[in-house]
Amino acid sequence: QKEVEQDPGPLSVPEGAIVSLNCTYSNSAFQYFMWYRQYSRKGPELLMYTYSSGNKEDGRFTAQVDKSSKYISLFIRDSQPSDSATYLCAMSKGSNYQLIWGAGTKLIIKP
Amino acid sequence: DVKVTQSSRYLVKRTGEKVFLECVQDMDHENMFWYRQDPGLGLRLIYFSYDVKMKEKGDIPEGYSVSREKKERFSLILESASTNQTSMYLCASTTPTPGKETQYFGPGTRLLVL
Repeated sequence: QKEVEQDPGPLSVPEGAIVSLNCTYSNSAFQYFMWYRQYSRKGPELLMYTYSSGNKEDGRFTAQVDKSSKYISLFIRDSQPSDSATYLCAMSKGSNYQLIWGAGTKLIIKP
Repeated sequence: DVKVTQSSRYLVKRTGEKVFLECVQDMDHENMFWYRQDPGLGLRLIYFSYDVKMKEKGDIPEGYSVSREKKERFSLILESASTNQTSMYLCASTTPTPGKETQYFGPGTRLLVL
């Protein structure tokens, strides 16, 4: 079983919809949680970074961590075609610099 | 802005060739990583380095080696390329500060081995 599970999709939604992307994990030692966005033929770029449980909001994006359920989410409000990309979750125990990655979810926003 | 550059965007090589992929970062980061990315498998760590001349194996080091002679430069070497090494290769760098594990990525190299 993988340490981090993420549905690869694709997830296709109409423009303007609220998108929910999720990852589950098995190691309760993870403390730092990240979401990366990767456009086609580009390297991943950091989108959101959270520590421990709770919510973090940045514009149309909200990252949510539920450590009791070992579940993290990324919400995108008022989705735009430019949000079409692969979204990867990543997490770390904080004791070193290695990240454990989800497989990535391909998101398609239809105009 | 952090900049991570990779020597090639696309490469086509033949089976058995020795292949060099080079990565350079300009943020004085101590740690550098090489990943490969395949559909449905996400990012898999090949090797990483936390200092000049230091290297550690990742999850899939077989068939690869690395070199870090200067802090800003981290090279991935495929000693004898095989078709199952056709993939997207991504380089990343970060600082080792706890809680600052954000990794900055290069644009990737798409390698095709024929």
